[in-house]
Amino acid sequence: EVQMLQSGGGLVQPGGSLRLSCTASGLIFKNSVLSWVRQAPGKGLEWVSAISGSGGDTFYADSVKGRFTISRDDSKNSLYLQMNGLTDEDTALYYCAKHSPIFDPWGPGTLVTVSS
Amino acid sequence: DIQMTQSPSSLSASVGDRVTITCRASQAISYYLAWYQQKPGAVPKLLIYAASTLQSRVPSRFSGSGSGTDFTLTISSLQPEDVATYYCQKYNSAPWTFGQGTKVEIK
Repeated sequence: EVQMLQSGGGLVQPGGSLRLSCTASGLIFKNSVLSWVRQAPGKGLEWVSAISGSGGDTFYADSVKGRFTISRDDSKNSLYLQMNGLTDEDTALYYCAKHSPIFDPWGPGTLVTVSS
Repeated sequence: DIQMTQSPSSLSASVGDRVTITCRASQAISYYLAWYQQKPGAVPKLLIYAASTLQSRVPSRFSGSGSGTDFTLTISSLQPEDVATYYCQKYNSAPWTFGQGTKVEIK
């Protein structure tokens, strides 16, 4: 059974930083394209960032380009999202997902709240 | 970037009704279109990919059609457990954009 665990969310002040993590069991990350998708409270789904199977190619939505960095560690079956320069518009539930290029499966989500 | 527009934004229908949701892409995306179901408080779930291929274990009352710019998701006989928000998503190239969602409720 595939289980994806997420961590790293929390409350952060505007301008602050957070690092999200996503770890999978029962699912081989290696060579898989992986993505982060977020959902602001009461809003729809927004793709945020993707990383290629090799880690050599990364992709970002315009809304986070230059502030967020996606990375992976296949030895730990883990995906990361380093978020810097956070604003209140980044407040959302952040999901990791295997991206094949459809999103399946999804992690449970981790909540990021940006507020002073 | 290609925009994805869903209609309606919400609908209310009776149990047993046929429900249709449309998704329009601002440029042609061939058949690279997926549909997701998100029940209240739950993680999104893949329903359909390649515009019309049903994901495993998805009930056969769900179907998808279309190609190019116009797509539809149909629920042939609405059930109470289908109450959810449905999203289309293009996946031909980055950015992998979602539609704004269609909220389906029971009348």
